[in-house]
Amino acid sequence: NAGVTQTPKFQVLKTGQSMTLQCAQDMNHNSMYWYRQDPGMGLRLIYYSASEGTTDKGEVPNGYNVSRLNKREFSLRLESAAPSQTSVYFCASSSRGGLQHNEQFFGPGTRLTVL
Amino acid sequence: SQQGEEDPQALSIQEGENATMNCSYKTSINNLQWYRQNSGRGLVHLILIRSNEREKHSGRLRVTLDTSKKSSSLLITASRAADTASYFCATEGYTGANSKLTFGKGITLSVRP
Repeated sequence: NAGVTQTPKFQVLKTGQSMTLQCAQDMNHNSMYWYRQDPGMGLRLIYYSASEGTTDKGEVPNGYNVSRLNKREFSLRLESAAPSQTSVYFCASSSRGGLQHNEQFFGPGTRLTVL
Repeated sequence: SQQGEEDPQALSIQEGENATMNCSYKTSINNLQWYRQNSGRGLVHLILIRSNEREKHSGRLRVTLDTSKKSSSLLITASRAADTASYFCATEGYTGANSKLTFGKGITLSVRP
C-alpha cells in the first residue's frame, strides 16, 4: 500500500497563477484533510472532508477551494496564488466512523513557493 | 488558534539519555495524540491516549495525561540519533464525523551521537 500520496512534491508559482494539489489514499479512509505548515506555526487545517461528498472549512480556508472527487481523492486548489500561500501543504486521511478515534496518516507534503 | 502548546520548543540531548516533552491544552478533550516529523517528511502517528487513561506505553515511548492540569508528557527512553525529529501533540475534542485534530507548534529534538 502506498498510503497517502501527494503531487507535485515541489512547485513554484507566480502571484496570480492557479494550481491544484492532488492527494490520494489507498486505505479506504472516510475522512481526508488539507493542512499547511509554516515555520513556527505548526499545522493549520485548511479544509477537510469527513466523508465522500462533503467538505468543510478549517481554520484557514481563505484563498483555497477543495474537491472530494471520490473516496480516494481530495484536491486543493489555489485560484489566484499569493506570496502568503508559500508553505508546505500536507494531505492526511483517517478512518473515521462511529467511535473510532481520529488517528491521521499523512502524505509527504508539497512545497509551494509563490513569487 | 492552536489548542496544544509544547514545551520546550527545542531539546538537545546525548544518545542514551531520556527525552521528556510536554504539551498543555486549553479545552476538554476526547484524546491526545503525539506525532513525529522527520525533516522534510510528513507526520507519523506515534501514540494516542484517551481522556480516561493516565498513562500509556509503546516500545520506548511513555505518554501520560493529566486532565485536571490539561497537560500531557511524552517520554522517549534510551534515545537514539534516529529519534532526532520534531514532535507534535494534537488534541481531539470529541469523536464524531466532523471531529478534527488541533496541533501544537512542535518540539525540535536533537539527539547527539
